Parts: sequence; C-alpha cells; structure tokens
Amino acid sequence: AQSVTQLDSHVSVSEGTPVLLRCNYSSSYSPSLFWYVQHPNKGLQLLLKYTSAATLVKGINGFEAEFKKSETSFHLTKPSAHMSDAAEYFCVGGGGSYIPTFGRGTSLIVHP
Amino acid sequence: DGGITQSPKYLFRKEGQNVTLSCEQNLNHDAMYWYRQDPGQGLRLIYYSQIVNDFQKGDIAEGYSVSREKKESFPLTVTSAQKNPTAFYLCASTTGGQPQHFGDGTRLSIL
Repeated sequence: AQSVTQLDSHVSVSEGTPVLLRCNYSSSYSPSLFWYVQHPNKGLQLLLKYTSAATLVKGINGFEAEFKKSETSFHLTKPSAHMSDAAEYFCVGGGGSYIPTFGRGTSLIVHP
Repeated sequence: DGGITQSPKYLFRKEGQNVTLSCEQNLNHDAMYWYRQDPGQGLRLIYYSQIVNDFQKGDIAEGYSVSREKKESFPLTVTSAQKNPTAFYLCASTTGGQPQHFGDGTRLSIL
C-alpha cells in the first residue's frame, strides 16, 4: 500500500523568499509522485511529476522537487515566492494503481 | 484544446431533491473520477470508472450515484440520501498511469 504525508498544513513566507513544501511517501515499490496546485474555486493543476527518469524534477512556474529515496521524500521548492503562488498544494502518489493517493494539502501563504 | 468541463459551476439543492453534476472530457481518457472537497480538507474519492459501463465505489459513495454510458461523460447524482452535500466537487480523468487532469469544479450548496 502507498501513503503520502504532507508535513505542514500551512506554510507562510514573505514574497521573494524561498518556498519549501514537504512531502513524505511510503511505498513498497518505486512510486510515481506528483505535485498539484489549486487556486481558490479552481481545479487542481499539475506542477510536476516524478516517474523515475530523474530525481530532480523541474515543473511549471519555477517550482522543482527532488525525489530522495533514502529519506522517502519528495519536497517541493521554489527559490523566490511570488504573491501569485499563494494557493493550496497537494502531493499525490500514483504508481501501479488507478487510484492516486492524495496528501491532505498544504496552504501556502505569501506575505508582501 | 482538450480538457475536462464541469457544469454548472454553482448549484443549489432543495431538501429532498436529487441534483446531477455534469463532467465531460475530450482527452480520450479511459478512467474518470469524482472527488469531494470540504473546506481545509483534502480530496475524498466518491466514485471512479475505468471503462465504459463500469464503475466502482470510492471511500464516500453513500448518497451518490454515477453512470458511464459514454467514454467522454461521467455524471454524478447527489441524491436526497446525502444529508450533508454542501461541498466542492471535482471531476478528473486519466489514462495509462499518467497524472490526473482535473476540471474546474462544481460548488454545491443547500437552499
């Protein structure tokens, strides 16, 4: 069975400072992992995906994530936060199943 | 452009009434899903369908029903048996182990 844990329900940063959203996974096999972003009253938009081709994955809007098997982590980062990054972020596990496993979500708050 | 269309964007239900949420995709995806999202919570799976004319219950199927008569369409009916239907409903689709593609959601409220 696979599970995904987002370690923070809320993360608050100032505009222009780095963003770190944490996600740990557990899986008995090599997982597929994704990060999505959700703006208010909108659907989820794919930011990036890991499918074992490369451990450092670059996504849209300057986000990237690094798959670390030794730490079972897939943290999402961005060097410099922008006000438009304020949203809900979901870490999702796929891999071998039609039913993805969603984390509980992390709300990113960006202060001017 | 291909995508998923959910309609309506806002929907209101009266007591004892069934309402149907529409989800249409033109991505030629095999699998389709319905999720419920409550404030401050993640997504909970209601129903999913891997192929036409077949669907399975998710974690919170009680009070909901679906059909999958066409590959492109996966409507969700919220029945009067669902006592707390106020939520944001999201439809998604995928194929071949790819990440899901989501619609923009329907917000359902009680009158």
